[in-house]
This record gives sequence, structure tokens and C-alpha cells, in this order.
Amino acid sequence: NAGVTQTPKFQVLKTGQSMTLQCAQDMNHNSMYWYRQDPGMGLRLIYYSASEGTTDKGEVPNGYNVSRLNKREFSLRLESAAPSQTSVYFCASSANRGGSYNSPLHFGNGTRLTVT
Amino acid sequence: AQSVAQPEDQVNVAEGNPLTVKCTYSVSGNPYLFWYVQYPNRGLQFLLKYITGDNLVKGSYGFEAEFNKSQTSFHLKKPSALVSDSALYFCAVRGGTDSNYQLIWGAGTKLIIKP
Repeated sequence: NAGVTQTPKFQVLKTGQSMTLQCAQDMNHNSMYWYRQDPGMGLRLIYYSASEGTTDKGEVPNGYNVSRLNKREFSLRLESAAPSQTSVYFCASSANRGGSYNSPLHFGNGTRLTVT
Repeated sequence: AQSVAQPEDQVNVAEGNPLTVKCTYSVSGNPYLFWYVQYPNRGLQFLLKYITGDNLVKGSYGFEAEFNKSQTSFHLKKPSALVSDSALYFCAVRGGTDSNYQLIWGAGTKLIIKP
């Protein structure tokens, strides 16, 4: 079982460049999430999608955009990368309906992004 | 404000000894509580959750956690630590309102099990 697959695993960008992080899940989950992880700060929610066709801002959405392409795929785009966006990015999915958070999250292995 | 605190950045335990990783929370309403583990260069993995019912919750890899409403705590425990338990552990709680639930994360505790 693949679970949640993220690509790429590593990326180095220069300030101002753009890129899209891809995420796909094969568990038929309704909800998908994008988090960033920074040392000593736990996880911070960037955007989430409670169901196919809907997206909502999380705690730190500035500088990011998302697309819920279909039930399986949820991409995160950085339009103009900044050094403050250097982080590890995790995609997650869950069987949660709406924003209930009753069910556990299943995480991908992350993308390590460095912006110079 | 709603929050989760993991008061210890790092916990060191000898192999075979019991371990405890602490978590306290502050949310309105009934809390939904979770523990996740993160191994190096991997995503987080779900360990256990408390939604309702028995205050002692059993999870994966021999871990358990006790919900204490009066102390607003949800400490993670294991009777006998293994070297392979060494990892980063995160506590999370569902907070917010009926119209806008959010998952609030602690900053993580690094658990080191020494042989």
C-alpha cells in the first residue's frame, strides 16, 4: 500500500522561483492537508481540503496556493519562493468528513525545501 | 487561547525502563487527543487517540496514554522502553468550535532510549 505519496523529496529554489509540490493518496480519503514543520514549532497547517472541490486556509496560508485536483490529489504551489519558506512540507489525508478531525491523519514522507 | 504543551524538549530513558512523555492541553469543550510518532526523515505516524470512554487508551507498539480531565493531561507511557522507540513524539488536540475545528499540535518531544 502506497498510502500518501509526495514528490519531490528534496528541492532547492532561488528566491522568487516557483514550484508545485505534489501529493496523492490511495486510501479514498475525503480530507487532505498541507503542513509545514519547522524545528521547535511542531506542525502548522497551511491549507486543507475537507472534500473534493473545496479548499480552506489554515494557520499559515500566505505565500501558498493549493488545488484539490480530484479526490486523490492535492497540490501545493509556491508562486514566488522566499527564504522564510525553507521548511519540511508534509501532506496528509484522513477519512474525516468536513473538518471534524475525529479520524487519524496519514502522512507522506515529506518534501525538504530550501530557498536561497 | 487553545493550546497544547509538551514541557520536555527531550526525554532520556534507559532500555527496559518505563517511559513517560508528557502532554497538557487547553481547549474549550470535550477534547479529542492524539499521539503521533516521527522517525528520522519520515512522516508522522498515528499511535493512539482518546475520543471518549475509558481514560486509559492503548495504541501501537505497546504504547498507552492516560486521559486526566482534572489535570488536562494526556501523557504517553510504555512499561518497558526499546532502543527502537527513539523518535520524535507529538501530542495533538482537536480544538475550535463546531463550525471550525482545528488540530492543535505540540512542539514535539525527542525520546532517546539508551542501551
